[in-house]
Amino acid sequence: SQQGEEDPQALSIQEGENATMNCSYKTSINNLQWYRQNSGRGLVHLILIRSNEREKHSGRLRVTLDTSKKSSSLLITASRAADTASYFCATDPSGGYNKLIFGAGTRLAVHP
Amino acid sequence: EAGVAQSPRYKIIEKRQSVAFWCNPISGHATLYWYQQILGQGPKLLIQFQNNGVVDDSQLPKDRFSAERLKGVDSTLKIQPAKLEDSAVYLCASSLDGGRLDTQYFGPGTRLTVL
Repeated sequence: SQQGEEDPQALSIQEGENATMNCSYKTSINNLQWYRQNSGRGLVHLILIRSNEREKHSGRLRVTLDTSKKSSSLLITASRAADTASYFCATDPSGGYNKLIFGAGTRLAVHP
Repeated sequence: EAGVAQSPRYKIIEKRQSVAFWCNPISGHATLYWYQQILGQGPKLLIQFQNNGVVDDSQLPKDRFSAERLKGVDSTLKIQPAKLEDSAVYLCASSLDGGRLDTQYFGPGTRLTVL
């Protein structure tokens, strides 16, 4: 079963704009992770946020986590054509052994 | 550092045939995962190994799927017999020790088409 649900399913923006993707999940978690997948580089880990953290930054990426609402968001600032990919949130449920449950993903298209 | 290696990259078979996929994890990684990714969906964990022991295989269809990780290094995933709904990309991933903050590194995947 897929725990995370990303919103929107698809997003189309121009280069230089910001892109925001949201993820909701159902059960308590140890951490939440975001991955990117494109045909060139496969599935790549972007960032991990622990359940006791509220915000985390990595370069142009900003992730927030609200455990009370069981939701997370990924913000990509100043997007580039190379950011075109599918983005997945993955949760590591409490009590698990780094067992990731992925959502269906958001397909991002960044146009030059 | 070499990444996770998988082979073959593509496979086309008829339904009811058998198929096997191979994965070589990053050197030194104790934990190995097999995922199934159906088109338009996120990856779904099939089985997780810690060294050569199974940690979780709750979503592995054991009537037709099997996996092994002999000697705690590389791994094979087999489907016998294949069904049309098995058409998917099979991803292998590895991580250092399977701890809660461990990062999983994914291979390029094997795209299986069952006709």
